[in-house]
Amino acid sequence: GQQLNQSPQSMFIQEGEDVSMNCTSSSIFNTWLWYKQDPGEGPVLLIALYKAGELTSNGRLTAQFGTTRKDSFLNISASIPSDVGIYFCAGLSGGYGGATNKLIFGTGTLLAVQP
Amino acid sequence: EPEVTQTPSHQVTQMGQEVILRCVPISNHLYFYWYRQILGQKVEFLVSFYNNEISEKSEIFDDQFSVERPDGSNFTLKIRSTKLEDSAMYFCASSDRLRGETQYFGPGTRLLVL
Repeated sequence: GQQLNQSPQSMFIQEGEDVSMNCTSSSIFNTWLWYKQDPGEGPVLLIALYKAGELTSNGRLTAQFGTTRKDSFLNISASIPSDVGIYFCAGLSGGYGGATNKLIFGTGTLLAVQP
Repeated sequence: EPEVTQTPSHQVTQMGQEVILRCVPISNHLYFYWYRQILGQKVEFLVSFYNNEISEKSEIFDDQFSVERPDGSNFTLKIRSTKLEDSAMYFCASSDRLRGETQYFGPGTRLLVL
C-alpha cells in the first residue's frame, strides 16, 4: 500500500532554532497536508498544498509541495516551546472532488524544543 | 471557527461489548471520515462516507464496524463486538469539496477495551 516516510523521526532543538522536516512517498499525491498533534489531541491542520511546486506559508511555518508530487517539506522558523508536538505529513489519495479521498499519514516527526 | 466535535472523549468497555462513537462534523461539510491511531503509531484511515453511503473503507474496517449518519448533524461509528486490539484513539474528520477536500479532525475518542 501507499506509505509516507517522514524524517527525521525526532528532533531536539533549542528555542529560536529553525527546523526542517520532510516527507517522501513512492506514490504521487495530488494534495499534501501538514498536521500537528499534541498529546491526547486530534491532528490540527497547519498547511495544505494543492499544486506541485507550491510554496505556502502560515506564520513561522513554510511548506512546499515537491515538483515530482512525491515529497513535501515543512520548515519552522525561530522555534518556540509551544511548537512541541508530533508533526505529520499526509497525502490525499483520490482524485480532486472525488468521494474516496482518504488521507495517508506519514510516520511523524516528534519535535522537542528546549527553552 | 467551526470545528468537529466528538463524544465521548474517553470510553472504557469490556471485550465483546458494543460501542458507539459520536461525531458532529462541521456543518457545511459533505465528506466524513473515521480514522484511528493506536498508541504511539500513525493515524490510519478506516472509512469515508459521502452522500449517505460508504465511499471507501480500509481492511481494518471489517464487519464489526459500521457507520451511520442518523440525522443532519451526527456521524457515528459503531463497533459491534469490541476486541482488545480495537483499543485506540478514534478520530472523526470532515471536509468540504470547495476547499480541496482538506480534512479537519475532531479531538478524538480514546477507546480502551478490557
